[in-house]
Amino acid sequence: KAGVTQTPRYLIKTRGQQVTLSCSPISGHRSVSWYQQTPGQGLQFLFEYFSETQRNKGNFPGRFSGRQFSNSRSEMNVSTLELGDSALYLCASSFEGGRAEGTFGSGTRLTVV
Amino acid sequence: GDSVTQMEGPVTLSEEAFLTINCTYTATGYPSLFWYVQYPGEGLQLLLKATKADDKGSNKGFEATYRKETTSFHLEKGSVQVSDSAVYFCAASNTGKLIFGQGTTLQVKP
Repeated sequence: KAGVTQTPRYLIKTRGQQVTLSCSPISGHRSVSWYQQTPGQGLQFLFEYFSETQRNKGNFPGRFSGRQFSNSRSEMNVSTLELGDSALYLCASSFEGGRAEGTFGSGTRLTVV
Repeated sequence: GDSVTQMEGPVTLSEEAFLTINCTYTATGYPSLFWYVQYPGEGLQLLLKATKADDKGSNKGFEATYRKETTSFHLEKGSVQVSDSAVYFCAASNTGKLIFGQGTTLQVKP
């Protein structure tokens, strides 16, 4: 059974640009959540999508957005990149979401220069 | 808001030593509790979980018991191995999002 796939693994962008990250969940999973991991702030929840609808949102500026497609694949977009957006972005999928644990992908390492 | 507090690391142990990593949470209601492990360059792997008071989660020799009265979920292992060296995260979930502790780095020396 394939795991959660995140692409790309590594990304270097320039300040002011925008970026799109992709997450393909485990087959059959309908919930995808995104997290940002930085040395200073640790792991912080960005948002959760379930059946193409955003179900939960963390405390991030509007530059961070996401969406989910009918096949449950999800993308997150960060516009007008700032140096502080450099982080490991992790997604997790689960069948239902809610209080259930997620299975995490290996993450996308974004570096903003 | 909800929060999770873990003991500060790094924790350095000799192989076969006993491990305890403390974790306490603040949350409304009765969250599900988790321990995740992260190896260098990788994502998070679920180590164990507990969904209600007095539940004990266990996996690969690791154990943690959901203590409602002390709002704690301490991770223990009787005999650590070098291969257990990693970062360990305690997390709570009440509303569909995981709230993580800051992580505890464990280094096990041969």
